[in-house]
Amino acid sequence: GAGVSQSPSNKVTEKGKDVELRCDPISGHTALYWYRQRLGQGLEFLIYFQGNSAPDKSGLPSDRFSAERTGESVSTLTIQRTQQEDSAVYLCASSFRGGGHSYEQYFGPGTRLTVT
Amino acid sequence: AQKITQTQPGMFVQEKEAVTLDCTYDTSDPSYGLFWYKQPSSGEMIFLIYQGSYDQQNATEGRYSLNFQKARKSANLVISASQLGDSAMYFCAMREGQRKLTFGTGTRLTIIP
Repeated sequence: GAGVSQSPSNKVTEKGKDVELRCDPISGHTALYWYRQRLGQGLEFLIYFQGNSAPDKSGLPSDRFSAERTGESVSTLTIQRTQQEDSAVYLCASSFRGGGHSYEQYFGPGTRLTVT
Repeated sequence: AQKITQTQPGMFVQEKEAVTLDCTYDTSDPSYGLFWYKQPSSGEMIFLIYQGSYDQQNATEGRYSLNFQKARKSANLVISASQLGDSAMYFCAMREGQRKLTFGTGTRLTIIP
């Protein structure tokens, strides 16, 4: 079946511009996560959505970062007034909070953001 | 304090040998899960194996096994009979409650033919 998809796969933007990254989770997955991975580093949690509950925004690094999710479907991560330190791969993951207990997260291919 | 610690930034292993990738964790939550993911050079994150804090037996998935030592807060990944395709970054991660994963810094594994 279809996995998690993300678009665009690559984005180059000028410093100060806004960017919007999109994630389509696996159908039926109620939980959606955004992570950031800087070059050569591990993944940093950004934000988590679970159904209609209030999102966990504890990982967002500044108020320039925001994310939305419509129901249990598409999510967009928006970065306003981009800075060079925002350059990274942004990974989206989804999981099924239901049967079983592993809550395994399935990752998308990521969006590579380069701020020039 | 680091929640997930991977002390081996890089490892080189001969093909067909077994390899152990280290991971220690820190949590006060009695209910948690430990995960290992593989990230090849293509960038995707591939789930390998999961161990729940209440699981009595070590998890196994094909050539992968997780050496879970709860008292030592250790969750090492063991890959048996390594293959060239195992060359990748490997990340250990912990889930507390039902929320986010916290990742370690990763170990870059290179299999030598």
